[in-house]
Amino acid sequence: EIVLTQSPGTLSLSPGERATLSCRASQSVSSSSLAWYQQKPGQAPRLLIYGASYRATGIPDRFSGSGSGTDFTLTISRLEPEDFAVYYCQQYGRSPYTFGQGTKLEIK
Amino acid sequence: VQLVESGGDLVQPGRSLRLSCAASGFTFHDYAMHWVRQTPGKGLEWVSGIIWNGGIMGYADSVKGRFTISRDNARNSLYLQMNSLTTEDTALYYCAKELSDWSHAFDIWGQGTMVTVS
Repeated sequence: EIVLTQSPGTLSLSPGERATLSCRASQSVSSSSLAWYQQKPGQAPRLLIYGASYRATGIPDRFSGSGSGTDFTLTISRLEPEDFAVYYCQQYGRSPYTFGQGTKLEIK
Repeated sequence: VQLVESGGDLVQPGRSLRLSCAASGFTFHDYAMHWVRQTPGKGLEWVSGIIWNGGIMGYADSVKGRFTISRDNARNSLYLQMNSLTTEDTALYYCAKELSDWSHAFDIWGQGTMVTVS
């Protein structure tokens, strides 16, 4: 199984700042089959990025994804108050599909 | 586009439970579907997936041999039969739809149904 390790565990930033979240895979993720999700308390996860770098429908362009192989990054260029949440990466290139443990983005 | 899970309950260890997920607003039989669970206060765990024609995409090791995923395209419904439940299966269970046949990311999620094994 491919293990995804996200860092940092918690990121404390202020609105307007840039956020950089990392996701490292234990094996190469095929065809950039890597997604990012945002989850707020009491809500289901929301797809932000698929294919490592493609924004899902309706996702603002301040969210961007990059990377390939084993190292992937989610960048939020300028944080808005609604962006403070937990973010998960997921690989769907090989079963069992796996998620990272999450990065909590909190207001500083 | 909506997914609505049901069937969650409080059950004793060793018992069985069947979860359902009703889909609406999209052509259900065109998409692979999945179950994902989340333990209280913790992260996400993929449970199982099924392609449009009923082919199984796999199971998490933690549920293999105990859980069975299935679908009924005529009823626009996804199911998860859970047998030999343990306290480790306590979680919020989500059903999720795949984005397309060329991307297995999950673009639509239900609100979840809670399973408590105690």
